[in-house]
Amino acid sequence: GAGVSQSPRYKVAKRGQDVALRCDPISGHVSLFWYQQALGQGPEFLTYFQNEAQLDKSGLPSDRFFAERPEGSVSTLKIQRTQQEDSAVYLCASSFSFDSPTNEKLFFGSGTQLSVL
Amino acid sequence: QQQVKQSPQSLIVQKGGISIINCAYENTAFDYFPWYQQFPGKGPALLIAIRPDVSEKKEGRFTISFNKSAKQFSLHIMDSQPGDSATYFCAASPNRSSNTGKLIFGQGTTLQVKP
Repeated sequence: GAGVSQSPRYKVAKRGQDVALRCDPISGHVSLFWYQQALGQGPEFLTYFQNEAQLDKSGLPSDRFFAERPEGSVSTLKIQRTQQEDSAVYLCASSFSFDSPTNEKLFFGSGTQLSVL
Repeated sequence: QQQVKQSPQSLIVQKGGISIINCAYENTAFDYFPWYQQFPGKGPALLIAIRPDVSEKKEGRFTISFNKSAKQFSLHIMDSQPGDSATYFCAASPNRSSNTGKLIFGQGTTLQVKP
């Protein structure tokens, strides 16, 4: 497909379990973002990649959260020792290049809904 | 710390009416203001965006009004349709020289357009 693809669509984890969420951005998109969206709230920034470089990880809530994009395309968000407060929808977005004023549009995936029991 | 405040939280409008959603921001370094539309189970999709060098931008039935001195901007949906029923988010981003691509989103407005 031509859009941003995220998997799995739903993930149920037991408290303390590690999870990995995958994002396939639109082909050729340089910039990739992860956002966390709690129920009934707006998305909150987690981290940003330009190609394989993680340029901003200021939004990661704790050192249990880790993101990577080793080859500059697919990205994985890993959450270790999940807690109930990690329950949320995790959204991935990509853009051709956020540095360009004509290419600021973010294309979001449908997200992964994580439920920690 | 809420850098972008959005109101109302929910809105009900009759078909054909005008829907108005307001946002206020605090950080004067913000210089890009998009509005996103989100349907249940989907990610947000860009509707329309504005920069502070203009006071208004119109695309079809959607208009952004921007007041730089008041640090406020609003979305107007003209001739609202039931298909417009969704959650709308305003957002803001710092100027490009210091920008890592981070968007700061408002809390969202759930719009229901009644037929």
